[in-house]
Amino acid sequence: GQQVMQIPQYQHVQEGEDFTTYCNSSTTLSNIQWYKQRPGGHPVFLIQLVKSGEVKKQKRLTFQFGEAKKNSSLHITATQTTDVGTYFCAGRPSGTYKYIFGTGTRLKVLA
Amino acid sequence: KAGVTQTPRYLIKTRGQQVTLSCSPISGHRSVSWYQQTPGQGLQFLFEYFSETQRNKGNFPGRFSGRQFSNSRSEMNVSTLELGDSALYLCASSIRPGQENTEAFFGQGTRLTVV
Repeated sequence: GQQVMQIPQYQHVQEGEDFTTYCNSSTTLSNIQWYKQRPGGHPVFLIQLVKSGEVKKQKRLTFQFGEAKKNSSLHITATQTTDVGTYFCAGRPSGTYKYIFGTGTRLKVLA
Repeated sequence: KAGVTQTPRYLIKTRGQQVTLSCSPISGHRSVSWYQQTPGQGLQFLFEYFSETQRNKGNFPGRFSGRQFSNSRSEMNVSTLELGDSALYLCASSIRPGQENTEAFFGQGTRLTVV
């Protein structure tokens, strides 16, 4: 079946270090979304990527969508303690209306 | 405007019982999706409703069912509860189902514990 794999599962970084999480789909995606879930909270929408090769930035966060529209990444520059949480990608396979969530990457930032 | 409201927030049930969870989407949103979140399996898609019709369904047994009312409020029901059904159940609303530029807004979830 259609799957969206996300790596790494966990990442501990020192405050100020960079962080990247990767998302890989078994099928071509129409678009991909990224969400952040703080500990004890619910997923909150961050961004959506639609075009092949698209790159979007939100302050210290950079999102990329692969040329083949099967993979994506989220890069955080100079992490802060407020970045702690689990980051999920959610891809919508072409021709479908449902989103498949990645397994998530739990980020811990050590002060 | 008010966010997505899920009730109850916490629930404890015994094996074999059934449970009904409720989700009120953001006003004007007509699509409601349900997810099961567990530490080991992440976010698993249960089903999606739009205009009172189930449009998509995940790979869950028939014990999991749902419905949507004319005011877009949705309920999900789990019958014959098993210990493995213990999870956080999240509801997400969006204006339209799964199209471009349609972000999902999640509720706080219902934490179900089956004992």
